[in-house]
Amino acid sequence: QIQLEQSGPEVRKPGASVKVSCKASGYTFSTYSFTWVRQAPGQGLEYMGWIGGHNGNTVYAQKFQGRVSMTIDSPTNTVYLQLRSLTYDDTAVYFCARDDRGRSDYWGQGTLVTVSS
Amino acid sequence: VVLTQLPATLSLSPGERATLSCRASQSVRESSLAWYQQKPGLAPSLLIYDASVRATGVPDRFSGSGSGTDFTLTIANLEPEDFAVYYCQQYGYSPRTFGQGTKVELK
Repeated sequence: QIQLEQSGPEVRKPGASVKVSCKASGYTFSTYSFTWVRQAPGQGLEYMGWIGGHNGNTVYAQKFQGRVSMTIDSPTNTVYLQLRSLTYDDTAVYFCARDDRGRSDYWGQGTLVTVSS
Repeated sequence: VVLTQLPATLSLSPGERATLSCRASQSVRESSLAWYQQKPGLAPSLLIYDASVRATGVPDRFSGSGSGTDFTLTIANLEPEDFAVYYCQQYGYSPRTFGQGTKVELK
């Protein structure tokens, strides 16, 4: 069965960076892309960007340009999200999702990133 | 593209019909609109894509309609497990955007 398994919760200080992983299984990794979406506590969903599973091409939401990186490691079927220069407003659950022609059909369980001094 | 979902909260009883609205600030290209359901503490799950196509395994009491700027998610005969938050998302333009969500709560 198709699964996306994300890494565990993280705590970072303001100004630091965080890297979240998302390991895919149950399908051919390179045939689908991925998106990253975050959700601040009690808030709605916020789209962060997209990465191609075949070639690693990326499209980032303008809000995160300059401090976000999405990468893939094909041998391990893993996609990564790195967010730099963290502020308290970056405290959120970060979700990876498989992208099928624009819609997100399978989701990871989410990774809580807490920014705290 | 800004998506506005109405109402913010819908209070209904099991067996009733839920009608959720999603309005876009400009015409959504090729009806590239999806609906997701999210329950507390869980990831969203895909219900509808391309405005009206049910995702695999989604019960037929869920239906999507609309085009252009106005889209609707209808849940016929609410079941207890349907009480959740519902989000629309457009994927016709970059960046993709979500609506702010509609909470369907037990009356």
